Amino acid sequence: GAGVSQSPRYKVAKRGQDVALRCDPISGHVSLFWYQQALGQGPEFLTYFQNEAQLDKSGLPSDRFFAERPEGSVSTLKIQRTQQEDSAVYLCASSLGAVETQYFGPGTRLLVL
Amino acid sequence: AQSVTQPDIHITVSEGASLELRCNYSYGATPYLFWYVQSPGQGLQLLLKYFSGDTLVQGIKGFEAEFKRSQSSFNLRKPSVHWSDAAEYFCAVGARSSNTGKLIFGQGTTLQVKP
Repeated sequence: GAGVSQSPRYKVAKRGQDVALRCDPISGHVSLFWYQQALGQGPEFLTYFQNEAQLDKSGLPSDRFFAERPEGSVSTLKIQRTQQEDSAVYLCASSLGAVETQYFGPGTRLLVL
Repeated sequence: AQSVTQPDIHITVSEGASLELRCNYSYGATPYLFWYVQSPGQGLQLLLKYFSGDTLVQGIKGFEAEFKRSQSSFNLRKPSVHWSDAAEYFCAVGARSSNTGKLIFGQGTTLQVKP
């Protein structure tokens, strides 16, 4: 079956632009996670959805970051007024439940110039 | 504070040699643990996981890991490394009591394999 997919795979943005990153989880997976991976670092948790409910957004670094999953399937991570420090790989993961194995997508590499 | 430490940033081994990658965690709750591998430009692939039960767990590609509660460790081992194992390896920890599934990752260990 299909795994987690993310689009675009690469995104170059000028500082101040808004970007939207998409995640298609594995079909039937209730839980969806976003992580941010800076160069040379491990992934850091951003936010968690159970179906359409965003139950944890403690990792979002600022109010410029916004995530949604309106129908409990596809999720979008939006970054407003991008800054250079937002440059990173954004990973999406899905799982059958919160405390289950998380399966990761290939990531979106964002470069803010 | 919750944290995961992978003490070795970079390891080089010869092909055919044994491998051990270290992972130590500091976690207040009962943990569950993963090892993931990441090749350049790729996402994270699950190697193995520990939730409960037998503390020695087997994974894909001949990897195994042992959970040692007394040492707060979850080291990854492989008896004979192949050139295709060159990649970055991440240890991750979550809380079994969590209702959000948040994982804490280590900084990663880059494995280089010499022919």
